[in-house]
Parts: sequence; structure tokens; C-alpha cells
Amino acid sequence: AQTVTQSQPEMSVQEAETVTLSCTYDTSESDYYLFWYKQPPSRQMILVIRQEAYKQQNATENRFSVNFQKAAKSFSLKISDSQLGDAAMYFCAYRSFRNSGGSNYKLTFGKGTLLTVNP
Amino acid sequence: DGGITQSPKYLFRKEGQNVTLSCEQNLNHDAMYWYRQDPGQGLRLIYYSQIVNDFQKGDIAEGYSVSREKKESFPLTVTSAQKNPTAFYLCASSTRVGPDTQYFGPGTRLTVL
Repeated sequence: AQTVTQSQPEMSVQEAETVTLSCTYDTSESDYYLFWYKQPPSRQMILVIRQEAYKQQNATENRFSVNFQKAAKSFSLKISDSQLGDAAMYFCAYRSFRNSGGSNYKLTFGKGTLLTVNP
Repeated sequence: DGGITQSPKYLFRKEGQNVTLSCEQNLNHDAMYWYRQDPGQGLRLIYYSQIVNDFQKGDIAEGYSVSREKKESFPLTVTSAQKNPTAFYLCASSTRVGPDTQYFGPGTRLTVL
């Protein structure tokens, strides 16, 4: 079974600075997807960024980018030019690529990192 | 606007009662999911459905039931057999091709009195 670990329960950053959130995962599969979701105080889960494991290039979405290290099974999220609206709980999630009787649709989540942005 | 709606936003239940949480999507997604979120925890999968009239148990299905009679709707019933139902419940949907990114509804907070 896959597991996802977020070792930083809380992080803080000054507005306009850069912060990196860590995520490691354990899997025996070679193909899979990785996601970062954001959960603001409203509690709605919002997709931040997605990475396909077969792609060597790191995904980027505006101020958000990832550092995907497949061999190390590491998937960190970098937020540049942090804004007050970035304050939220951030979850790393894993999904299998293979269709193994339907179970590939399951997302496995880490426990989250609470990000505080200081003005 | 396309999206996922959940109702109610807050729900209170007395012990021994069954309650049903609504989830509707107009994204034309085939797959739908129910997750449970507890404080300090990530999301855990309760049930999922890939197509109409079919659904599968997730990791924590005991005490819950679902139906999928329409593509747009995937209601979750929390039964009296669920011993600790107080939690935040999130519904999600996705396509069944490619990365199948799951998109989430706003959630329902269930409290047992």
C-alpha cells in the first residue's frame, strides 16, 4: 500500500518570500500521479498542481512549482512571492496509474502542512 | 457554472439516527467519491463510484452506505452503525481518463449530538 508523509505539521513564511513544503511517499509502482491540494479556512479542497511520474520536467503553475525527485520519492511544493491568500492547509496526495480493479482511482493523502503567511 | 455542490453545509444528528448527505455535480464526470476528514488527518476514502449503478467500498466504509442512480448524484448515508460519525465529509468527482484529477465540493460538517 502506498503511504504519503508530510513531515512539517506547520510552516510560516513572510509575505513576498518563498517557502517549500515537503512530501515523501512510498510506493513500488513506477507510474503514478502526484498532487498538491490547498484547503483554506473555507475547507474547500482546491487543486494546486499535478505531476505525472513519467514526466521528468517539474510541473509549474504560476507562483507554484514542484521539485519531483522520483528516485528519492520526494515531491516538494515551492510557493514563490507568498501572498496572504496562500495561507491554508496543504495536502500532498498520490494516485496510482494502473487500473487495478478500480482501486487506482483512490487518492492517498498525507496529513497536511498548515501554512501561515505573515504580513 | 460547472461544479460540485454538497448539502447541507452543517448537519446535526442525534445518536441512533441515519442521515443522508447530498452530493451533486454538473461536470459530466463519470466517477464520484466520498472522503472523511478528521482533525489533524488527511482525507480517507469512504466509497467511490466509477459509473452509474456501481460503487465500491473504500478504506473506511463500515457504517456508511451510498447509491448511484444518476450520473450527477452520489448521496452518502451515515447510519447508526457508524460509531464515530462526527467529521467533515467531502465529495469529489473526476473523469475516468488520463490523470483523473479529482475536484471537490465544499463539504458537509456532521456533528452527532
